Amino acid sequence: KQEVTQIPAALSVPEGENLVLNCSFTDSAIYNLQWFRQDPGKGLTSLLLIQSSQREQTSGRLNASLDKSSGRSTLYIAASQPGDSATYLCAVIEAGTALIFGKGTTLSVSS
Amino acid sequence: SQTIHQWPATLVQPVGSPLSLECTVEGTSNPNLYWYRQAAGRGLQLLFYSVGIGQISSEVPQNLSASRPQDRQFILSSKKLLLSDSGFYLCAGGLIGNTIYFGEGSWLTVV
Repeated sequence: KQEVTQIPAALSVPEGENLVLNCSFTDSAIYNLQWFRQDPGKGLTSLLLIQSSQREQTSGRLNASLDKSSGRSTLYIAASQPGDSATYLCAVIEAGTALIFGKGTTLSVSS
Repeated sequence: SQTIHQWPATLVQPVGSPLSLECTVEGTSNPNLYWYRQAAGRGLQLLFYSVGIGQISSEVPQNLSASRPQDRQFILSSKKLLLSDSGFYLCAGGLIGNTIYFGEGSWLTVV
């Protein structure tokens, strides 16, 4: 059974710092991996989708990498801002199933 | 791109009353559709997913049910709510191999 783990569970950084969020999964036979952001009391906003044949995706200050063989993905946030404060969720999808989520990393960026 | 509409946004229901949460999708046809629940301080739990009209897979045995009467409509129901049904319900949808989008969520409090 696929399990997704995110480390750390919480992270506090000063504004301007570069940071890395980690995601690991137990079964490398995934279809895609997707990173989401969730603000308190809100739905999920998709940040980046990495398909199984890809190794990374970039959007603005965000860069996500995928290493299927080792069961790992990282989300790199450059020059963090207070507006980046949120919970970041990693999810994998296997063929014929739905998204399987980690429990998230709650990020707090102080000004 | 796709948009997921979900309603109602908030509801307070007495124990034993029925429930109907509705989700519709704009911007794509034949999406996979999902219902997730997020309890306070916990991760996202997959409840149901659907790959087509009338095709529903249940992930967790409980007093909830789902239906897909039209291609872009997904309904979560209950005949009699329990206190443990309280939580944040999220509808999601997308094409296999592509980004999965989420609605803004529905807050359910059972009293």
